[in-house]
Amino acid sequence: GAGVSQTPSNKVTEKGKYVELRCDPISGHTALYWYRQSLGQGPEFLIYFQGTGAADDSGLPNDRFFAVRPEGSVSTLKIQRTERGDSAVYLCASSLGVLGTEAFFGQGTRLTVV
Amino acid sequence: AQRVTQPEKLLSVFKGAPVELKCNYSYSGSPELFWYVQYSRQRLQLLLRHISRESIKGFTADLNKGETSFHLKKPFAQEEDSAMYYCCHARTGGFKTIFGAGTRLFVKA
Repeated sequence: GAGVSQTPSNKVTEKGKYVELRCDPISGHTALYWYRQSLGQGPEFLIYFQGTGAADDSGLPNDRFFAVRPEGSVSTLKIQRTERGDSAVYLCASSLGVLGTEAFFGQGTRLTVV
Repeated sequence: AQRVTQPEKLLSVFKGAPVELKCNYSYSGSPELFWYVQYSRQRLQLLLRHISRESIKGFTADLNKGETSFHLKKPFAQEEDSAMYYCCHARTGGFKTIFGAGTRLFVKA
């Protein structure tokens, strides 16, 4: 079966523009996570969904960042008024939603803000 | 606050030598700890988790609550172990997972 899929794989945008990053989780996985990874750092937690609801969005850096998962499957991470500091690899992961179970990661979207 | 520290950015060992990748966490409760690995040009994937007490690809990790450590060990490193290793931690009952900065392991022939 297919793994976690993220599109686009690369995105270059101008400062101030709006971007959307998409994540298709593994079918049947109720939990979905977004992380941001800057160069030389580990993945930084942004938000976690259980089903359609954001169970923990404490990692979103500010109100320019927003994520949705309207039908409990595909999720979109939205960034408004992008800044150069938003440049990073954005990772999505999904899991069965049971504590301690493995999270499966996508290949990431590399966002570059110029 | 949850924090995971991996003090070594790079660890280089010879094939057949023992390897230990260090990980310390800061959390006063009972944590859930994992090691993830990223091989070249591949996705991040789970290596092992402390609740399973398993050995994967010859690697083991023991949770030491007194030292708040979860070091990853392998007695005889192989060239195919060369990769980026991330220690991560979740609070008991929580899904928010905090990753360390990672250690790049390079196993020389």
